[in-house]
Amino acid sequence: AIQMTQSPSSLSASVGDRVTITCRASQGIRNDLGWYQQKPGKAPKLLIYAASSLQTGVPSRFSGSGSGTDFTLTISSLQPEDFATYYCLQDYNYPRTFGQGTKVEIK
Amino acid sequence: EVQLLESGGGLVQPGGSLRLSCAASGFTFSSYAMSWVRQAPGKGLEWVLVISGGGVSTNYADSVKGRFTISRDNSKNTLYLQMNSLRAEDTAVYYCARGRGDYYDSRGYPYWGQGTLVTVSS
Repeated sequence: AIQMTQSPSSLSASVGDRVTITCRASQGIRNDLGWYQQKPGKAPKLLIYAASSLQTGVPSRFSGSGSGTDFTLTISSLQPEDFATYYCLQDYNYPRTFGQGTKVEIK
Repeated sequence: EVQLLESGGGLVQPGGSLRLSCAASGFTFSSYAMSWVRQAPGKGLEWVLVISGGGVSTNYADSVKGRFTISRDNSKNTLYLQMNSLRAEDTAVYYCARGRGDYYDSRGYPYWGQGTLVTVSS
């Protein structure tokens, strides 16, 4: 199975900060990667698919980039509602695999 | 509107069995692959299983292979997860999720149910 290594595991940031989360695949996965946001007690929410495509309804402050093995999720200006845990998921092959998650906390 | 509603969770003893259901509505159920994703308490997300729209193709995470079975009844718009030989480490919230297409679609899971909690404990 493809291993997805996400970093950092947690970060503290202030409202208005630019935040970057990275995900590295153990082998090339083209651009078959998505980013999800999860808040406590809620189902995950798809933010980005195909590495850089913004899911309908997701604010434009979220963006994704990368191809092959290295990927990035960027939040350009952190908002109060963005404090959550973020996961990457490779959909290149089965079994699908998630990164370990990045918890974004208030500084 | 796409809706996914899981049911069937609960408390079960180690070694026991449980069947989860996911009732789908708002789309042509047989046209889409369906997956199960779980999350142990305080832990990250774990992809578990997938089944193609017609039910022919499946894939499993190694952690559940040989113990869990995914199936679907397209006439009832319902996805199932049969869980046997349950272990404490299977304790988790189980989510059903739908992608954008069938088995080989790779554009993520835009639709999720609310989850159902399975607790394996004596």
